[in-house]
Amino acid sequence: KAGVTQTPRYLIKTRGQQVTLSCSPISGHRSVSWYQQTPGQGLQFLFEYFSETQRNKGNFPGRFSGRQFSNSRSEMNVSTLELGDSALYLCASSQDASNEKLFFGSGTQLSVL
Amino acid sequence: DQQVKQNSPSLSVQEGRISILNCDYTNSMFDYFLWYKKYPAEGPTFLISISSIKDKNEDGRFTVFLNKSAKHLSLHIVPSQPGDSAVYFCAASAGSGNTPLVFGKGTRLSVIA
Repeated sequence: KAGVTQTPRYLIKTRGQQVTLSCSPISGHRSVSWYQQTPGQGLQFLFEYFSETQRNKGNFPGRFSGRQFSNSRSEMNVSTLELGDSALYLCASSQDASNEKLFFGSGTQLSVL
Repeated sequence: DQQVKQNSPSLSVQEGRISILNCDYTNSMFDYFLWYKKYPAEGPTFLISISSIKDKNEDGRFTVFLNKSAKHLSLHIVPSQPGDSAVYFCAASAGSGNTPLVFGKGTRLSVIA
């Protein structure tokens, strides 16, 4: 079974631009979560989708948004990029609505110049 | 306000010895705890978990201990191997996994041959 796939792996943007990151969960997994990892800050929860509905949302500004499609694939969008948005963005999937075990992708490394 | 704390950013251990990674939490609603391991350029991978109804869970060389009264858990790796060198994240969830995982900032373990 293929793992969680995130594209692209690396991305360089400039301030003010917007970006869309993509995540394909493990086949059969219906829940997708997004996390931001910055040096020394651990993983900060962004949002979680289950069956195309946002189930939980973290404490991030409205510039961060996401969605999930009927095939469980998910995208997250960041508008009006700021330098502080430079981070590793990780997507994780789980089989059901429980977060008892998340399977993570390798992440998208976003650099904002 | 950090709900999950890993107070040691790094730890060095000799190969063959025991590695002990610690984690403290503040939210008494947390009832499910997990450890994830992360290598550079890869997403975190699930290592071991424990429910609040237990105080110990073992899986091969890895054992997690939970002390609910102290709101403390630890991960023991015996014996430590060079391949264990990675960043270890402690995570917690409330509602038996139905809320987003809250992660600590991680501890970088270096196992020296």
